[in-house]
Amino acid sequence: AQTVTQSQPEMSVQEAETVTLSCTYDTSESDYYLFWYKQPPSRQMILVIRQEAYKQQNATENRFSVNFQKAAKSFSLKISDSQLGDAAMYFCAYSSNAGGTSYGKLTFGQGTILTVHP
Amino acid sequence: EPEVTQTPSHQVTQMGQEVILRCVPISNHLYFYWYRQILGQKVEFLVSFYNNEISEKSEIFDDQFSVERPDGSNFTLKIRSTKLEDSAMYFCASSLRRGEKLFFGSGTQLSVL
Repeated sequence: AQTVTQSQPEMSVQEAETVTLSCTYDTSESDYYLFWYKQPPSRQMILVIRQEAYKQQNATENRFSVNFQKAAKSFSLKISDSQLGDAAMYFCAYSSNAGGTSYGKLTFGQGTILTVHP
Repeated sequence: EPEVTQTPSHQVTQMGQEVILRCVPISNHLYFYWYRQILGQKVEFLVSFYNNEISEKSEIFDDQFSVERPDGSNFTLKIRSTKLEDSAMYFCASSLRRGEKLFFGSGTQLSVL
């Protein structure tokens, strides 16, 4: 079974600075997706960024980028120019893309609470 | 942007009672999911649903749970006889195609007393 581990229960950053959230995962599969989801106080899960395992290039979405190290099974999220609105719980998640498996079955990490200081 | 809608936002019930949690997925989506998050714990997959049948379910999704898409727009999760440990936030999600982004609802907080 796949597991996802986020070893940082809490992180903080000053507004306009950069922060990196860590995630490691364990899988025997070669074809999968990795995600970062944001959960603000409203509790809605919002997709921040998605990485396909077969792509060597790291995904980027505006101020958000990932460092995907497939051999090390590491998937960190970098938030540049942090804003007050970035404050939330961030979840790393894994989804298999093996044949016959539902894409939507996400395995989540424990989450990291990000605080942004003005 | 279109949204997944969940009702009610909070539900309180007595142990042993049946509850139905309701979700309206995005109208043209084809894949539907339920997840739950017990306070302080990870978000956990419960079930996925496609083409009017369950495509995958977790160990949590036992005989006390069922899902239904009764009318082509709603997607419901029924818990037949609630237990204290069913208290959690339940999230519905949908996607248009396999491999595409999941859209989550805002969740229903279920409290079993």
